[in-house]
Amino acid sequence: SQKIEQNSEALNIQEGKTATLTCNYTNYSPAYLQWYRQDPGRGPVFLLLIRENEKEKRKERLKVTFDTTLKQSLFHITASQPADSATYLCALEGVTGGGNKLTFGTGTQLKVEL
Amino acid sequence: DVKVTQSSRYLVKRTGEKVFLECVQDMDHENMFWYRQDPGLGLRLIYFSYDVKMKEKGDIPEGYSVSREKKERFSLILESASTNQTSMYLCASRGWGVAMNTEAFFGQGTRLTVV
Repeated sequence: SQKIEQNSEALNIQEGKTATLTCNYTNYSPAYLQWYRQDPGRGPVFLLLIRENEKEKRKERLKVTFDTTLKQSLFHITASQPADSATYLCALEGVTGGGNKLTFGTGTQLKVEL
Repeated sequence: DVKVTQSSRYLVKRTGEKVFLECVQDMDHENMFWYRQDPGLGLRLIYFSYDVKMKEKGDIPEGYSVSREKKERFSLILESASTNQTSMYLCASRGWGVAMNTEAFFGQGTRLTVV
């Protein structure tokens, strides 16, 4: 069966350091992968999308890599700040009979400490 | 500013009641989704719809049904609420982009408690 795995343990890092979050998947052949941020009590917000033919994508302090051989995406936040503290989710698309369903990993909670 | 609006932020219902959760989007999106989110289990897809009157089961459809009579509105129905349906419910919508790789927009969530 299809699975998306993210580290369920919270990641605690110091302000200014680089945070690296991992998303592993099995039984998917995704054309692209998405990353979202979720704050407590709110819906997820889209951050980045990376396609299978893109090894790396950047947006300001965010960087995403996508290795379809390893079936893994890494999400990096450089020069992290306390405001980056949130849960980060990766998402993959699966093609069904009628439409495309979007499935999320369980998310990894990031805490950036002063 | 794009918007997905869920009808209630908090809801308390009794076991056995029929519960309607409403979601409206103003982006003219074809695709709409209902998820529930529970600690340690992440976002799990209940149902989604890719067009008016079209629906597909997600990963956990048991105990739920949906209705999409108009493009902008997607309703989740709990036919007979049970305590194990106490959860945060999130609605999302997305359009058809180039190669269908578009982002999802989420509502603010409805925290449902069944007592």
